[in-house]
Amino acid sequence: DAKTTQPNSMESNEEEPVHLPCNHSTISGTDYIHWYRQLPSQGPEYVIHGLTSNVNNRMASLAIAEDRKSSTLILHRATLRDAAVYYCILLDQNAGNMLTFGGGTRLMVKP
Amino acid sequence: DGGITQSPKYLFRKEGQNVTLSCEQNLNHDAMYWYRQDPGQGLRLIYYSQIVNDFQKGDIAEGYSVSREKKESFPLTVTSAQKNPTAFYLCASSLQSTNEKLFFGSGTQLSVL
Repeated sequence: DAKTTQPNSMESNEEEPVHLPCNHSTISGTDYIHWYRQLPSQGPEYVIHGLTSNVNNRMASLAIAEDRKSSTLILHRATLRDAAVYYCILLDQNAGNMLTFGGGTRLMVKP
Repeated sequence: DGGITQSPKYLFRKEGQNVTLSCEQNLNHDAMYWYRQDPGQGLRLIYYSQIVNDFQKGDIAEGYSVSREKKESFPLTVTSAQKNPTAFYLCASSLQSTNEKLFFGSGTQLSVL
């Protein structure tokens, strides 16, 4: 299974951009990169996903390296409500639509 | 509003007891999943179902059982064979397509008395 590596935790100041990195050096050509986030005592929430090109939506942007061995989730202006655990996940297409979640990055936002 | 509902939010199990966690969705999704989350850890897949009357084991299926008699419902039973059941249990659903995002319920916290 393709695995991802993320820092355990990161800090950001409110209203500043946040770049959350993810390494996935064993990614296969057809694996999609998904990002979810989880607030305390809640289920994870979809953030964004992509394959090769950079992606933007109302929540965030996803920058994917040209060799696809790493990606970065970008929150353009962090708010206190963005404090959560962020999971970078590779979609295992050999196992249907199951997503394997690692430990994620705990983002702390300081006012 | 469409969504995925888990109940109860908190559940207690006595030694040797089976307990069942409910998961219902009205999103018309074909696929449903059960994950377990231990404190400070990521999610681990217990069981998943891609169609009614069919389901497959995930990474940690031992001590658990599921059924998928209706498209909307995917209950999880934590049996007495599961020796360490205390955890946060999350149910999710998605369209059948292999690149569809997952929608999660709000979870059930199971504790052992």
